[in-house]
Amino acid sequence: DTGVSQDPRHKITKRGQNVTFRCDPISEHNRLYWYRQTLGQGPEFLTYFQNEAQLEKSRLLSDRFSAERPKGSFSTLEIQRTEQGDSAMYLCASSRQVNQPQHFGDGTRLSIL
Amino acid sequence: AQSVTQLDSHVSVSEGTPVLLRCNYSSSYSPSLFWYVQHPNKGLQLLLKYTSAATLVKGINGFEAEFKKSETSFHLTKPSAHMSDAAEYFCVVSDPQDAGANSKLTFGKGITLSVRP
Repeated sequence: DTGVSQDPRHKITKRGQNVTFRCDPISEHNRLYWYRQTLGQGPEFLTYFQNEAQLEKSRLLSDRFSAERPKGSFSTLEIQRTEQGDSAMYLCASSRQVNQPQHFGDGTRLSIL
Repeated sequence: AQSVTQLDSHVSVSEGTPVLLRCNYSSSYSPSLFWYVQHPNKGLQLLLKYTSAATLVKGINGFEAEFKKSETSFHLTKPSAHMSDAAEYFCVVSDPQDAGANSKLTFGKGITLSVRP
């Protein structure tokens, strides 16, 4: 059990640029979740996958955001035309199945200049 | 709908004294409840979970929490604080019986625990 891995740990970019984050879940974990955490707040749910199927998206996930999990293993989260308000920590979590505890990665901190 | 209220945003204790971090929840179903801890610039680590078994739940690092349905509370306690306990603590609820929830976690705003030498 090597834990959830996220890359990069930090991303600094200019407003209007596109960014992509990667999450590698714990192997054999079917469920993968993305959360966003802004300063001084708890994480907020963005979206989740059951294997390769994206089953739910939060209203927080505007059309500039897209997430994929093409082979049911790693996942990517892309933000197009970044805005100042996108600055946050993006956290990935995985679980073996529904109702099992979610294990979190260390997150990707996005800073928009 | 599910929600969590952590009324205290900051708690400060002396090393060796007890810790009490309060949490109240709202849920339409029988909830699963969790406490997670987050150290600076790190991800979240699960401290303990309640899933309708024993109401007193023991977790890692000497923490425990008691589920009280009548008070809709799930307070986190530790008998003796250690310097390494200084971190952000999140109370979290999940509604496993709510098909619409899909086991997504709903977090409170978090409590910053400071430990004085």
